[in-house]
Amino acid sequence: QSALTQPASVSGSPGQSITISCTGTSSDVGSYNFVSWYQQYPGKAPKLMIYEVSNRPSGVPDRFSGSKSGNTASLTISGLQAEDEACYYCSSYTRSRTRVFGGGTKLTVL
Amino acid sequence: EVQLVESGGGLVQPGGSLRLSCAASGFIFSSYSMNWVRQAPGKGLEWLSYISGDGTNIYYAVSVKGRLTISRDNARNSLYLQMNSLRDEDTAVYYCAREWASPFFDSWGQGALVTVSS
Repeated sequence: QSALTQPASVSGSPGQSITISCTGTSSDVGSYNFVSWYQQYPGKAPKLMIYEVSNRPSGVPDRFSGSKSGNTASLTISGLQAEDEACYYCSSYTRSRTRVFGGGTKLTVL
Repeated sequence: EVQLVESGGGLVQPGGSLRLSCAASGFIFSSYSMNWVRQAPGKGLEWLSYISGDGTNIYYAVSVKGRLTISRDNARNSLYLQMNSLRDEDTAVYYCAREWASPFFDSWGQGALVTVSS
């Protein structure tokens, strides 16, 4: 099972919007609405930000949103804030009943 | 409050074995599936293994199948990962993660560092 493909880095200025893509295949992202997104600060455990493509857990700001089209899922952060600077990972369920992560995207807030 | 606490990490020689534990509290452990996820130094997250709440369904990543064994003891609210034939590339922080309802990880432990080195 190959890792999902994410850009290594993205950047944006405070107040702007950014989108992180997560590309899989018809065996994972394209087959299920089981894409989730995680935020990770250095030295810390990941935190769930989006589940089932577009749902936000309680406590996650509505600046964070998710979507999917075909084999590609996306995480959009609007109204960027300095505290959003972190690494973001996508994950998907697969036809093999396994789970797979993307390689991670480092978000820099300029 | 949901808590997941990993233990059992440390330094091990190549070819050696190690057993990680994850102590769960704050929820009905047997009602949740659990996973192990690792992160090598400076690298991304890698999913390793899944076990259903009753322990009957188990899945592994192809990269570790045959060397890692996941198990759980619901009476002790504990999850385990037995790691054998360890290699340098198994050096990582190992996280246990709870899976709720559908395949996503809603709670994570703080991680246990495993270092494989001679």
